[in-house]
Amino acid sequence: QQQVKQSPQSLIVQKGGISIINCAYENTAFDYFPWYQQFPGKGPALLIAIRPDVSEKKEGRFTISFNKSAKQFSLHIMDSQPGDSATYFCAATPGGGGNKLTFGTGTQLKVEL
Amino acid sequence: DAGVIQSPRHEVTEMGQEVTLRCKPISGHDYLFWYRQTMMRGLELLIYFNNNVPIDDSGMPEDRFSAKMPNASFSTLKIQPSEPRDSAVYFCASSFGGSPGEQYFGPGTRLTVT
Repeated sequence: QQQVKQSPQSLIVQKGGISIINCAYENTAFDYFPWYQQFPGKGPALLIAIRPDVSEKKEGRFTISFNKSAKQFSLHIMDSQPGDSATYFCAATPGGGGNKLTFGTGTQLKVEL
Repeated sequence: DAGVIQSPRHEVTEMGQEVTLRCKPISGHDYLFWYRQTMMRGLELLIYFNNNVPIDDSGMPEDRFSAKMPNASFSTLKIQPSEPRDSAVYFCASSFGGSPGEQYFGPGTRLTVT
C-alpha cells in the first residue's frame, strides 16, 4: 500500500515534443506529490509538486495533472528540450508522515534532436 | 547556503574494510535522510532522523550498516565490514519539517567495494 508505481521506465521524445510520465498510488493518506529530477552524477532535485486539492499545477514547461479519484498523477513536459534529458522520480508523502517520501522507480527521459 | 554537503565524493575500498560516509545537512533543517541508489533497486531509503533522533531504520539492509547523528549539523553512515554488493551511490538529504516532501539532496558518495 506504500508503493508508488511509475511508468514508463524509459522514454525517448523528439525535441519539441511532449513527455508524459505517469504514477499511481494506493495509500489514500498521501497528500503531497512532488516530482524530482536527477541528472547523471547529481542528486535528485525537487522539480514541481502538487497537493490533492488541485487537479493541475503548471510551472513553465512542466505540468502536474492529478486525478484524486483514480489515485493517479502525471508529469507533462511541454516543448521537451535536450537539456530535459534526465531521470524523473515521482514521490508521495502522507500528512503528518514525518517528511518521509515514497519514491517511484524512476523514468529515464532522453530528448533527441 | 551551501546545500547538503557529503564526503567523500568517491570511495574505493576492499571487501571487509570499514567505510564511513559523512553528511552535513542544510542549516535549520530538522530531518535528515540516507538513501542508497543502484540500477537494480533504484532509490532506497535506508534511515531517517528527526531532530537528531533516528525515526525509521527499517531500510537498513543488515547489521553491517549503522548511522548516527550526534548533532544537528553532522551525520555518518558506517558500513562494517563492507561487501561488494554494497557498491552504490549513497545520498544524504535534508528537509524542514514545515515543508514535508521538499527534500534537498547532496551530491552523493559513489562507493565501490572490490
